[in-house]
Amino acid sequence: QVSVVQSGTEVKTPGASVKVSCKASGYTFTTYGISWVRQVPGQGLEWMGWMSAYNGNTKYAQIVQDRVTMTRDIPTSTAYMELRSLTSDDTAVYYCVSERGQSGNYYFAYWGQGTLVTVPS
Amino acid sequence: QSVLTQPPSASGTPGQRVSISCSGSRSNIGSNTVNWYQQLPGTAPKVLIYTNNQRPSGVPDRFSGSKSGTSASLAISALQSEDEAAYHCAAWDDSLNAWVFGGGTKLTVL
Repeated sequence: QVSVVQSGTEVKTPGASVKVSCKASGYTFTTYGISWVRQVPGQGLEWMGWMSAYNGNTKYAQIVQDRVTMTRDIPTSTAYMELRSLTSDDTAVYYCVSERGQSGNYYFAYWGQGTLVTVPS
Repeated sequence: QSVLTQPPSASGTPGQRVSISCSGSRSNIGSNTVNWYQQLPGTAPKVLIYTNNQRPSGVPDRFSGSKSGTSASLAISALQSEDEAAYHCAAWDDSLNAWVFGGGTKLTVL
């Protein structure tokens, strides 16, 4: 069965960087794209960007595009999301999601358990 | 301020039918399919409805989705206490070149 497991809770100081990992199993990693979605506690979901697990191509949301880098390591089926220049506004739970679908009809099929990143103000 | 608009809350009694709306624009719902996610308290979201009205295996047929123009709707029939959760709609936005979400609707089963 498909599993997506993320790295643990992080506490960072303002201005620092955080790198969250996401290990996928139960399917061929390079077949499907990976998106990252974050959620400020008590609020809605916000898409941060997408990466092709096949060739590493990326598409970032405008709100974080200057500060985020998404990468992957194919041998370990692991995706990474690095966010730089952290502020208290980046305090959120970060989710890694494995996409499914075709012909432009995609959806977020398998979610990681979430990684809480706290940046004290 | 979310790009897609959902009511912040909804409620119903066990056995009732409830509906949650999701309003967008021509560049998102009007041009692309809608997905719905259920988020139980303290857990990660999970896909409930994809491509407007498709249910993944394991999702009860009490849950159904529909889309018309620039709006979509999630219906839950025969409401159960375990349906108490937050429900999020999502669609790709061609103008923003990004996935956009609604603010989420917290469903309370009275």
